[in-house]
Amino acid sequence: GDSVTQMEGPVTLSEEAFLTINCTYTATGYPSLFWYVQYPGEGLQLLLKATKADDKGSNKGFEATYRKETTSFHLEKGSVQVSDSAVYFCALGGTGGFKTIFGAGTRLFVKA
Amino acid sequence: SAVISQKPSRDICQRGTSLTIQCQVDSQVTMMFWYRQQPGQSLTLIATANQGSEATYESGFVIDKFPISRPNLTFSTLTVSNMSPEDSSIYLCSVEEDISYEQYFGPGTRLTVT
Repeated sequence: GDSVTQMEGPVTLSEEAFLTINCTYTATGYPSLFWYVQYPGEGLQLLLKATKADDKGSNKGFEATYRKETTSFHLEKGSVQVSDSAVYFCALGGTGGFKTIFGAGTRLFVKA
Repeated sequence: SAVISQKPSRDICQRGTSLTIQCQVDSQVTMMFWYRQQPGQSLTLIATANQGSEATYESGFVIDKFPISRPNLTFSTLTVSNMSPEDSSIYLCSVEEDISYEQYFGPGTRLTVT
């Protein structure tokens, strides 16, 4: 069945460091791919999405490119801030009533 | 984007009792979902609730334990019945917008069963 694998956390970075959180997926068909962010004590928020191969989703300085050949959707940010500390979830599917499949989540800590 | 509110935001309940969680959306949506998120874990889908039909439950979840109502296009409830400490978790309501297919989440209900 469809699945999402994320790099394990926690990831600890200093402010202004470069961030990569790896995400790979297994799916039949051509799913949409998503990154969600969950700040402490809050629900999930959609961070960015890509709906087809080679699409790049971007938001708030975060980017991810839908790579069909490597079945990957890695999240990147050039310079992280303390306020980026959160849990990041990679997900697939979830359009037109198909259920969303979430990865395990990667916790990011950014130190000042 | 859809804005979702949940009540209560948190509760502490005795084992054997039931709690009903309410989910209100500020726009009409067809697809609503209920998830469980145990501490430090990912999300597990409990059921999909479409207005006008019975909820569809995922493997491991049953209607007797988690009855769901979906009386209209902006509201749903999830009841956690006959609770045990294993039910302690965050319960999240989610909707999928009918046009964009983007999924939005409520802030969650943090349940502790003692």
